[in-house]
Amino acid sequence: DTAVSQTPKYLVTQMGNDKSIKCEQNLGHDTMYWYKQDSKKFLKIMFSYNNKELIINETVPNRFSPKSPDKAHLNLHINSLELGDSAVYFCASSRSAGTSYGYTFGSGTRLTVV
Amino acid sequence: GEDVEQSLFLSVREGDSSVINCTYTDSSSTYLYWYKQEPGAGLQLLTYIFSNMDMKQDQRLTVLLNKKDKHLSLRIADTQTGDSAIYFCAESKEGSYIPTFGRGTSLIVHP
Repeated sequence: DTAVSQTPKYLVTQMGNDKSIKCEQNLGHDTMYWYKQDSKKFLKIMFSYNNKELIINETVPNRFSPKSPDKAHLNLHINSLELGDSAVYFCASSRSAGTSYGYTFGSGTRLTVV
Repeated sequence: GEDVEQSLFLSVREGDSSVINCTYTDSSSTYLYWYKQEPGAGLQLLTYIFSNMDMKQDQRLTVLLNKKDKHLSLRIADTQTGDSAIYFCAESKEGSYIPTFGRGTSLIVHP
């Protein structure tokens, strides 16, 4: 009964490969997010979807493409992986965009590009 | 400087109180949050406070807000080894979609 679940938890892959990370939330939230956490723990917003509509698209290489088939799912596809993409990627959800109630985070996907 | 700043580390003895501090730059910040991240896990919302409040208490947690100085603190009473984690301060504004996070304070609790 995990609220926000991400798969896989760990991903090790070679440079140049294409990979996807999946995220699902069972909280009935309208808004979902992808964050990147670097080695110094800095959290940076990448994308946000509200009811399957893209509402936030920060300065992220276009090798990163989010897809939201329905409001409970937000997947992240990364093409032509580079060493600098190594990080922990967190999915999160909130009741709505602009909410004051805070986010619920998944447990993260540690991506290592070799 | 960064929009939300925290010291990187805090070490306390088990049973003592811990105080984690945070400063932010935007005076229009409306909501302020504390999140906890345990090793290998995602961030968990601990508590939040609205900018029209000075203090909020929830069991062992006390949040103090000094809006004039743009300073937020989290006090953990009777700190336990299970409280060892990284604590993130975050702020957001009315109608804004995205909170701004600090870089986190690693709390180390030793016997």
